[in-house]
Amino acid sequence: EADIYQTPRYLVIGTGKKITLECSQTMGHDKMYWYQQDPGMELHLIHYSYGVNSTEKGDLSSESTVSRIRTEHFPLTLESARPSHTSQYLCASSESPSPPQYFGPGTRLTVL
Amino acid sequence: SQKIEQNSEALNIQEGKTATLTCNYTNYSPAYLQWYRQDPGRGPVFLLLIRENEKEKRKERLKVTFDTTLKQSLFHITASQPADSATYLCALGGGLNYGGSQGNLIFGKGTKLSVKP
Repeated sequence: EADIYQTPRYLVIGTGKKITLECSQTMGHDKMYWYQQDPGMELHLIHYSYGVNSTEKGDLSSESTVSRIRTEHFPLTLESARPSHTSQYLCASSESPSPPQYFGPGTRLTVL
Repeated sequence: SQKIEQNSEALNIQEGKTATLTCNYTNYSPAYLQWYRQDPGRGPVFLLLIRENEKEKRKERLKVTFDTTLKQSLFHITASQPADSATYLCALGGGLNYGGSQGNLIFGKGTKLSVKP
């Protein structure tokens, strides 16, 4: 089992609220990722980071933002949640730049 | 753009049989291909990685093949057990014709495997 943690596991929130999804890893990995996954669909990369102070947008456009102030921590923020943001958000890390990727348990976000 | 297809959304087999899952890709020449297992409501778990210059990789009851000419990977689970029931994801990375960062992966939708006792 990989040492990568996500909180909260489940979040139900109203439209317009600001939310932060937490992701932490204790493996000392430089590279970290955020994916979005809808039921029965593939994972889509929305953000990644090469290391501290590095953030890049992924293949899928997202209104969320990320930060990387510490190696072990890669939080994702939505300034104003909308129902279209309802999805599962998965955080992962890897030894840069090579695979494999180690995933957290995910956060299931529902925006009402 | 790159496209990955996994043979079917669902595969049902009897316990003890060999499960074979297929991953096909187009518009891409990946440097490596990986297989992950995902259980409901959980994150994917890495199983196996095979590189473009490798034909076959094994790990316990798992076997992966990689045919860069056919642009196809086969994933086999021998002597399948009900505990093997899960969704299996194919993911590609590196190589040519991929505009993203090295180390980033493109995932297929997965095949849901059900092993009946």
